[in-house]
Amino acid sequence: AQSVTQPDIHITVSEGASLELRCNYSYGATPYLFWYVQSPGQGLQLLLKYFSGDTLVQGIKGFEAEFKRSQSSFNLRKPSVHWSDAAEYFCAVGAGAGTASKLTFGTGTRLQVTL
Amino acid sequence: DVKVTQSSRYLVKRTGEKVFLECVQDMDHENMFWYRQDPGLGLRLIYFSYDVKMKEKGDIPEGYSVSREKKERFSLILESASTNQTSMYLCATRDRAIPGRAFFGQGTRLTVV
Repeated sequence: AQSVTQPDIHITVSEGASLELRCNYSYGATPYLFWYVQSPGQGLQLLLKYFSGDTLVQGIKGFEAEFKRSQSSFNLRKPSVHWSDAAEYFCAVGAGAGTASKLTFGTGTRLQVTL
Repeated sequence: DVKVTQSSRYLVKRTGEKVFLECVQDMDHENMFWYRQDPGLGLRLIYFSYDVKMKEKGDIPEGYSVSREKKERFSLILESASTNQTSMYLCATRDRAIPGRAFFGQGTRLTVV
């Protein structure tokens, strides 16, 4: 069965500092990987996704993530955090298409940004 | 853009009531999902459907059922609501042909008293 682990429940960074949110997955084939963000009172918004090809993917709002098959990881990074990035971040693995198309989410990492 | 509409943002129901949560999408996606979101537990899949009248259990189906009579509508049913079903419920859709991203509704915050 597929699974996702986000080991950090809560992270605090200063505005302007760099950020890395960790995500490890378990899946028996080539995974489809996603990062979503949920701002307070808002729905989930897709930041970026990885299907194949270049292992470094760029997303919206200046975020990027790197797929490392050997480490089963898909960590999210941003070079300089803005106060508006404070939100909850979810990593997800998708099982592909058809009947096996469900997305499995991690437990989330809540990001706090100090000024 | 894809629109996923959940019928209610907030609901308060009594223990033992039968509760219906409705979700409608406008993009002709085959796959639809119901998740519940709880602090510290992330999003957990309750049920999903990959076609009309087809459904599969997710990770936490106990106490829930679903209905998909039309492609655009996916309903989550709590047969007899209990206080431990107080949660945020999120509906999502996904295109079967392209293993792309899921599109989420705004969520229904259900409180069972």
